[in-house]
Amino acid sequence: EAAVTQSPRNKVTVTGGNVTLSCRQTNSHNYMYWYRQDTGHGLRLIHYSYGAGNLQIGDVPDGYKATRTTQEDFFLLLELASPSQTSLYFCASSDSSSQNTLYFGAGTRLSVL
Amino acid sequence: GEKVEQHESTLSVREGDSAVINCTYTDTASSYFPWYKQEAGKSLHFVIDIRSNVDRKQSQRLTVLLDKKAKRFSLHITATQPEDSAIYFCAASISAGNKLTFGIGTRVLVRP
Repeated sequence: EAAVTQSPRNKVTVTGGNVTLSCRQTNSHNYMYWYRQDTGHGLRLIHYSYGAGNLQIGDVPDGYKATRTTQEDFFLLLELASPSQTSLYFCASSDSSSQNTLYFGAGTRLSVL
Repeated sequence: GEKVEQHESTLSVREGDSAVINCTYTDTASSYFPWYKQEAGKSLHFVIDIRSNVDRKQSQRLTVLLDKKAKRFSLHITATQPEDSAIYFCAASISAGNKLTFGIGTRVLVRP
């Protein structure tokens, strides 16, 4: 079973605050993704990566930056957090050589006050 | 870009009955259609998928049907059990190596 670990699990910040969400996968997967989950919107892709140093823009990238420092580590950065970014964030990884099954982390619940 | 519409927001079924969740997609180039399950308070995990070279796939009590002409696919759960209660997400991508676009999710409640 693939292991994807997200930290922190919960985070509260204020409007204009700086937040970094971390994700580590230990299965040598090439692909990593950041999604946000909101009621009425389902899961929406923010950013994704094909490998270390690679970044791709997802469907809802505004207000987010991402960085893939190693094959294992993928970070999501909110440099000026806004209340609209209050959400449940999921990181996922997949092996490009497989059927692209996504393995999800446990999620980070972020509240921006 | 691709848009995936999930038609049922909630579904309540009696234990032992069948449940059907329907999704449609917009991009005719989409060829990979997985389903994910999210139990209450937990993360998502993969349950079943189908590729465009077949129109039906079964795994135990789960069956996925694909109608490429109508750009529609569906998840059928037979003999529902309490552990089937969850949110189910359909998704689509152009190929198995590309990013997935998800539907908004269907909450399935299996009543005793």
